[in-house]
Amino acid sequence: DAGVIQSPRHEVTEMGQEVTLRCKPISGHDYLFWYRQTMMRGLELLIYFNNNVPIDDSGMPEDRFSAKMPNASFSTLKIQPSEPRDSAVYFCASSLSGRVETQYFGPGTRLLVL
Amino acid sequence: AQSVTQPDIHITVSEGASLELRCNYSYGATPYLFWYVQSPGQGLQLLLKYFSGDTLVQGIKGFEAEFKRSQSSFNLRKPSVHWSDAAEYFCAVYSGGGADGLTFGKGTHLIIQP
Repeated sequence: DAGVIQSPRHEVTEMGQEVTLRCKPISGHDYLFWYRQTMMRGLELLIYFNNNVPIDDSGMPEDRFSAKMPNASFSTLKIQPSEPRDSAVYFCASSLSGRVETQYFGPGTRLLVL
Repeated sequence: AQSVTQPDIHITVSEGASLELRCNYSYGATPYLFWYVQSPGQGLQLLLKYFSGDTLVQGIKGFEAEFKRSQSSFNLRKPSVHWSDAAEYFCAVYSGGGADGLTFGKGTHLIIQP
């Protein structure tokens, strides 16, 4: 298996622009998680899905952030409009129902908002 | 809510020396505990995990960790470090019950001296 795939790996954009991050979970995994990593706050859970349905989005910082999972093999995290304080590494992780505690992480998307 | 504390932000160890990275958690019951490693520019790789049973768990790359309930600790150890072990190490806890994301510590940056 290729593991969790994220794209792009790096993104540089200007303040106010829309940013879309993409994730393909491991095939067969029915849980998908989005995390954000910053120096100040470490790794934080933003949102997670089960069977494509958002279960808990309490970690999403504000309305500028939205996430979707249109099918079992694809999810997006969108920031619109982006701000410099959104600069971080965004990780996607997936896991299998019944083993949800064991999450496999993608390589991350390093976002820089100028 | 659960929390994880990694008291050491940086640790420097000579190559070939032993290593211990500290992790303390706060949770009412016995949680699921994890150690992840993040190499520069990479995602998080699971080193080992503790769910129940033997309190000394073995992981990949020669790492082990010991769960001590009385101290609420889950310290990571390696008898002899290699230069390739230089990375960021994260301790994490999963509380179980419903499906939630992992709660991570802030990480410990391991530097290996030649």
